[in-house]
Amino acid sequence: DAGVTQSPTHLIKTRGQHVTLRCSPISGHKSVSWYQQVLGQGPQFIFQYYEKEERGRGNFPDRFSARQFPNYSSELNVNALLLGDSALYLCASSLGGADVPQHFGDGTRLSIL
Amino acid sequence: AQSVTQPDIHITVSEGASLELRCNYSYGATPYLFWYVQSPGQGLQLLLKYFSGDTLVQGIKGFEAEFKRSQSSFNLRKPSVHWSDAAEYFCAAYNTNAGKSTFGDGTTLTVKP
Repeated sequence: DAGVTQSPTHLIKTRGQHVTLRCSPISGHKSVSWYQQVLGQGPQFIFQYYEKEERGRGNFPDRFSARQFPNYSSELNVNALLLGDSALYLCASSLGGADVPQHFGDGTRLSIL
Repeated sequence: AQSVTQPDIHITVSEGASLELRCNYSYGATPYLFWYVQSPGQGLQLLLKYFSGDTLVQGIKGFEAEFKRSQSSFNLRKPSVHWSDAAEYFCAAYNTNAGKSTFGDGTTLTVKP
């Protein structure tokens, strides 16, 4: 079975642009969580979605948004990109809303110029 | 606010030597606790987890961790390190009420031949 898949693998944007990152959970998993990992730091929680509803939100500005589709895949959108948004964005999936996200994708490396 | 501290930024051990990576958490109740490993350019792989019960938990790749409530610690151990264990290690705590994970900033493990 495929694990958590994320696309694209790498992305380069300039300040002020917007970006969409995608995540497909493990088959049968209904919850997706997003994390931002800045170089040299641990991942920071951004969002959790379960059954297309937002279940948790971290301390990120409104420029960050996400959604989950009927097939449980998810998109993370970031508007008005800043240099500080350069990071590895990780997606994790789990079976249910109360399940702990234990399965991570390899991430999308976002670089802002 | 929940926090996770990994006091050691970088640890170097010789191949075959024992290893202990420290993790302390701050949380009102006992959270779910995790250790992950991350190789360069990759996502996180779950090594082991503690939810409740036996305070000594076994994980993959020969790792174990011990939960000590009195010390608010969840240290990771391995009796004999292999060169392939060189990586970044993250401790995390999951807040079941908030539905989010908090990660430490990681410990980089270097293994000397």
